Amino acid sequence: GAGVSQSPSNKVTEKGKDVELRCDPISGHTALYWYRQSLGQGLEFLIYFQGNSAPDKSGLPSDRFSAERTGGSVSTLTIQRTQQEDSAVYLCASSLEVSGYTFGSGTRLTVV
Amino acid sequence: SQQGEEDPQALSIQEGENATMNCSYKTSINNLQWYRQNSGRGLVHLILIRSNEREKHSGRLRVTLDTSKKSSSLLITASRAADTASYFCAPHRNQGGKLIFGQGTELSVKP
Repeated sequence: GAGVSQSPSNKVTEKGKDVELRCDPISGHTALYWYRQSLGQGLEFLIYFQGNSAPDKSGLPSDRFSAERTGGSVSTLTIQRTQQEDSAVYLCASSLEVSGYTFGSGTRLTVV
Repeated sequence: SQQGEEDPQALSIQEGENATMNCSYKTSINNLQWYRQNSGRGLVHLILIRSNEREKHSGRLRVTLDTSKKSSSLLITASRAADTASYFCAPHRNQGGKLIFGQGTELSVKP
C-alpha cells in the first residue's frame, strides 16, 4: 500500500491476556520501528529492524514485549500478560536508510 | 544520547503570527528531522535537513541547523489554526539509525 498500515486501530484487552499488534510497512522500506506513546507523553522507542541485521531491542520495557519481522516486511509486536501500564498508543514507522520516517496511525491499546 | 530536546514545551500564538520552535541535541548527526503530530496518533514527517545544510525551506516552514551549537529551529510563518499540533525534532545518525524523540513542543494557534 501507499502508507504504513497498522491493525487493529483499537484494542481493548483484559489484564493478563496476550495481544498482537501488526504493522505493514511501505513496500521496499528496509527499516521498521516500533514506538509507544502514553497519554500526554512523548514517543518511547521500543525496537528497530534494519534489513537482515539483528534488531535493536534496547527500548523494550520488559521481557513481556517481543517483536518479529517476517520476510523483511510485516512486523508483529507481541505483549504477553498485559498490564494496565501497557495501555498506550503503539506506533509503527518505516523508512529507507536516509529519509524521513513514515508513521502508521497507531494501535490504541487499553488494558482493563 | 541521540535524543532531541524541544523548547518551549508549549507555545500559544494568534493566527497569522510566526511560530518558532527550537531543538538541541548532544551527539554528532547526519541529519535532523522535524515531525508534526495531531491528536496523539501517527507523526507526519515535515522536513529533513542534512548536516552539511544550514537552512531549508518547505512552503511556510523554514528550518535552520547549526551543527557547531548542536541546535536547530523550526519556523512556521503566517500560522493557521490547522497548524495546532505537537512538533518533534529528531537528530539522526545513519549508522545505528533509530530516531529518539523528545517530549515535543505543543503549539496552539488561536483563530
